[in-house]
Amino acid sequence: GAGVSQTPSNKVTEKGKYVELRCDPISGHTALYWYRQSLGQGPEFLIYFQGTGAADDSGLPNDRFFAVRPEGSVSTLKIQRTERGDSAVYLCASSLFGTTADTQYFGPGTRLTVL
Amino acid sequence: AQSVTQLDSQVPVFEEAPVELRCNYSSSVSVYLFWYVQYPNQGLQLLLKYLSGSTLVESINGFEAEFNKSQTSFHLRKPSVHISDTAEYFCAVIQGGSEKLVFGKGTKLTVNP
Repeated sequence: GAGVSQTPSNKVTEKGKYVELRCDPISGHTALYWYRQSLGQGPEFLIYFQGTGAADDSGLPNDRFFAVRPEGSVSTLKIQRTERGDSAVYLCASSLFGTTADTQYFGPGTRLTVL
Repeated sequence: AQSVTQLDSQVPVFEEAPVELRCNYSSSVSVYLFWYVQYPNQGLQLLLKYLSGSTLVESINGFEAEFNKSQTSFHLRKPSVHISDTAEYFCAVIQGGSEKLVFGKGTKLTVNP
């Protein structure tokens, strides 16, 4: 079956612009996660959804970052007033139930470059 | 806060040699441990995980890792590597009661002929 998909694969924007990154989880997965991977680093947790609600958003770096999952499937990560430091690969993952033991399946990521 | 240390950023080895990729985590009452692999131009894939029970866990392609609570380690080993094992390997931990993975910085394994 289809895995986690993310669009776009690459996004180049200018400092100060607004961007939206989309994630399509595996069909039927109730949990969805966003991570950010900067160059030379491992992925860092941003936010976790269980269904439509954000169960843990403790990793969002500031109020310029916001994520939604209105119907419990597709999720959009929104970044306002982008800064050069936001440049990174943004990864989305999904899992069937969202329990600790569940495997998180990752998408290919969106590479965001802020000029 | 939970943290994961991967001591080696790059590990070059020759084909058919043994390899060990080291991973240590900060102590916690209960943790679940994972190794993910990222092949060139591909996304992260789960390689193996430790949840409970036997401290030695294995993957389908010959890797194994051992949970050592006293040393807070979860090193990844393979007795004989192939060129196709060339990839970046990430160790990760979930603290009991949480759902977020905490990753190390990764180790790039390069297998040379």
